Amino acid sequence: AQTVTQSQPEMSVQEAETVTLSCTYDTSESDYYLFWYKQPPSRQMILVIRQEAYKQQNATENRFSVNFQKAAKSFSLKISDSQLGDAAMYFCAYRGPSMKTSYDKVIFGPGTSLSVIP
Amino acid sequence: DSGVTQTPKHLITATGQRVTLRCSPRSGDLSVYWYQQSLDQGLQFLIQYYNGEERAKGNILERFSAQQFPDLHSELNLSSLELGDSALYFCASSVGLYTGELFFGEGSRLTVL
Repeated sequence: AQTVTQSQPEMSVQEAETVTLSCTYDTSESDYYLFWYKQPPSRQMILVIRQEAYKQQNATENRFSVNFQKAAKSFSLKISDSQLGDAAMYFCAYRGPSMKTSYDKVIFGPGTSLSVIP
Repeated sequence: DSGVTQTPKHLITATGQRVTLRCSPRSGDLSVYWYQQSLDQGLQFLIQYYNGEERAKGNILERFSAQQFPDLHSELNLSSLELGDSALYFCASSVGLYTGELFFGEGSRLTVL
């Protein structure tokens, strides 16, 4: 069964510095999507970045970039020039088919709480 | 604005009662997901619908039920409410199956007293 693990329950970063959040996942599928979602104190779920497994190039969105290692099943998020507004809970998520059941599996990791220190 | 609309935004009710949460997906999205998020917890998958049909079930309690209507909006019904059902309930939608991101509504915050 597919699983998503975020080994860092909490992290902190100094404003303007860079921080990397870790995510690993387990799947036997070859075609899938990976996402990072941000949940600020407002509790809204906001998509930060997405990565298609068939793409070798790492996705980037302004200050956010990922390091996608398909063989290692690793999908880390790097936040550059951290800002106070980046403080939030960050969830890694996997989406893909289950060949055995044809289920459309969308699985979220447990989250990493990021604090930004002024 | 994600385009996903959830109502009500806040709901306070008593134990034993029944409530209905409503979700309107983004225009054109056929898939609807329901998630439960208790305080300081992750997202627990409840149920998924695609074009009116149930596609997958998570750890949804028997007291909970859901459906997706022909106009693609969805309702989550919670009955015989208990204190532990207090949570933020999210609806999310996507265009189809297997691909693309989920777009989340703002959630319905349920408080059971």
